[in-house]
Amino acid sequence: AQKITQTQPGMFVQEKEAVTLDCTYDTSDPSYGLFWYKQPSSGEMIFLIYQGSYDQQNATEGRYSLNFQKARKSANLVISASQLGDSAMYFCAMKLPDSNYQLIWGAGTKLIIKP
Amino acid sequence: EAGVAQSPRYKIIEKRQSVAFWCNPISGHATLYWYQQILGQGPKLLIQFQNNGVVDDSQLPKDRFSAERLKGVDSTLKIQPAKLEDSAVYLCASRFTGELFFGEGSRLTVL
Repeated sequence: AQKITQTQPGMFVQEKEAVTLDCTYDTSDPSYGLFWYKQPSSGEMIFLIYQGSYDQQNATEGRYSLNFQKARKSANLVISASQLGDSAMYFCAMKLPDSNYQLIWGAGTKLIIKP
Repeated sequence: EAGVAQSPRYKIIEKRQSVAFWCNPISGHATLYWYQQILGQGPKLLIQFQNNGVVDDSQLPKDRFSAERLKGVDSTLKIQPAKLEDSAVYLCASRFTGELFFGEGSRLTVL
């Protein structure tokens, strides 16, 4: 069954440190896409980064990078040099082909950055 | 460019009352989604529109929930009558190509 698993309900990280948020996925489709979204306390889901299953290189967007390990079915989000504004919920999601671009969502990880 | 607009941001109602949420997507975005997000969980798709047609409403509790997007632009989601378990954030998202863009959500509390 297609599924996204985020095993870390919450994380505390010191400001300026790097942080890795875990995401594992389960699908038998060879073609899929993986997203990370950030949800601050204001409620809006903010798109961070996307990785396609056939992409040769790991995706990067500024301080965000995706550690994509296809054989292990993991797509961990790495945030470098964390900032206080990074405190939020982070969701991993998966898009499958022929799914009308519907996303399968993980339960999220609550990240708190300590000053 | 204006983002996805939703209103109201907050609503508190008694059970068995009705409520309506409004969403205006990003201009030109043909696909519109309504999600329900219960505290501590990921979003759950309620309904997906492509222009003014329904693509998927398989998870919409149709005995109490309804949604429409009559002119293929803005959309309303209605709950009637509300139950305690409907307390959640209702997120609207739109898409042209690529990623979904979300509004700030409408937080519903049912007492």
